[in-house]
This record gives sequence, C-alpha cells and structure tokens, in this order.
Amino acid sequence: DQQVKQNSPSLSVQEGRISILNCDYTNSMFDYFLWYKKYPAEGPTFLISISSIKDKNEDGRFTVFLNKSAKHLSLHIVPSQPGDSAVYFCAASAWDNYGQNFVFGPGTRLSVLP
Amino acid sequence: NAGVTQTPKFRILKIGQSMTLQCTQDMNHNYMYWYRQDPGMGLKLIYYSVGAGITDKGEVPNGYNVSRSTTEDFPLRLELAAPSQTSVYFCASSYKGRGTEAFFGQGTRLTVV
Repeated sequence: DQQVKQNSPSLSVQEGRISILNCDYTNSMFDYFLWYKKYPAEGPTFLISISSIKDKNEDGRFTVFLNKSAKHLSLHIVPSQPGDSAVYFCAASAWDNYGQNFVFGPGTRLSVLP
Repeated sequence: NAGVTQTPKFRILKIGQSMTLQCTQDMNHNYMYWYRQDPGMGLKLIYYSVGAGITDKGEVPNGYNVSRSTTEDFPLRLELAAPSQTSVYFCASSYKGRGTEAFFGQGTRLTVV
C-alpha cells in the first residue's frame, strides 16, 4: 500500500521547456513534502520542500505546488536544462511520537533532451 | 564538512555471511535513518533513530539490526545475508524538529550471491 505515488516512471522534455513531475499521497497526516533529485551512483539530494500550510513554494527554476484537497503535489522546472536529467523522488513526512519520518515515492526519471 | 559518509561503497556477500554498513555524520543531527532502494522502487525505511541510544523499526526491518551509541554513528548490521537483501542502502540524517530535510550519504551497493 503505497502512501506516496509517482505514477509516471519516466518523462522526456525538450531543453528550455517546462518539466512537470507529479506526486500523489494518501495519508492526510503528512504535513511536509519534499522533492529530491538523484543522479546515478549518488545519494539523493534535497531540492525543494513545502509545508502543508502553503500551496506554493518557489526556488529559482523550481516551483512546488501543493493541492491538499486533492492530496497532490507537483514540481515544475522552468526552463528545463540537460543537467536536470535525473531521477526525482517525492517524499512526505509526518510527525509521530518519535519524531519525523519520511516516506518516499518510487521516483520519476526525467530526461531533458538538448 | 563531510555531511553523511557511508562505507563501503560496494560489497559482495555470500549467502549466510554477515556484515556491517557504516554510517557517520558530522552535522550533529539527532535523527538518523537507513533506507534501502530496490530497482524501480522508492526508498524504504529499514530503521531509524531519534538520538543516541534510541532506535526503532521502519517499514522493512527484518534481517537487519542497528545501534546508536553516539550521535555521529549509526551502523546497520546484516546477519545471515540473503539474496533478498541485494539492494542499494542509503543512510540519512536530519535535524531534530518538524519540517526539516534529510541529508543522504552516497549509498552502499550490496549484492548477495
């Protein structure tokens, strides 16, 4: 039972265009959402996050949108660059008695074509 | 500032062997985590720790053990390795507190044959 879903295993986009990566979640207790980027043979690196009290967060070319009623978030990359080619993981966290835990989606492989 | 360091980077084990994956962080983070990533899957939480001396199971703890004797180190022990434990293992750490991101190590690619 996946709590965080990324239904597109892969996405190809032309350089300079917009990349939109989608993520859905099922647990309404999640209150913090993150996007990670992963290159081959490296660990995931943090990209951008959003708190559940916001609906948008922007950092340079990266914007994350959160639709709480739909339990959906998306990552927009504008303009896309070849160096953005990587696997992108959506993650969600909730606070429990022990602290914060992260639940990850299966990832979407983005290919930005020159 | 090295961040999160994992050793070894690669390892091949025979069925039934044991090994310890090392993880250390120099950011004074309270929280540390071990994840495994199987092909086409997301990262699944094996064990986590909210501070020295405190550990708890994650989603897939069977076949693993951890300890947290210091803030910096969080080793993952595999006893009696099985082919199902072939995976890439990531250690991560985060600050104590809500709404903080996790920082990951480079990963350990383990193959059990």
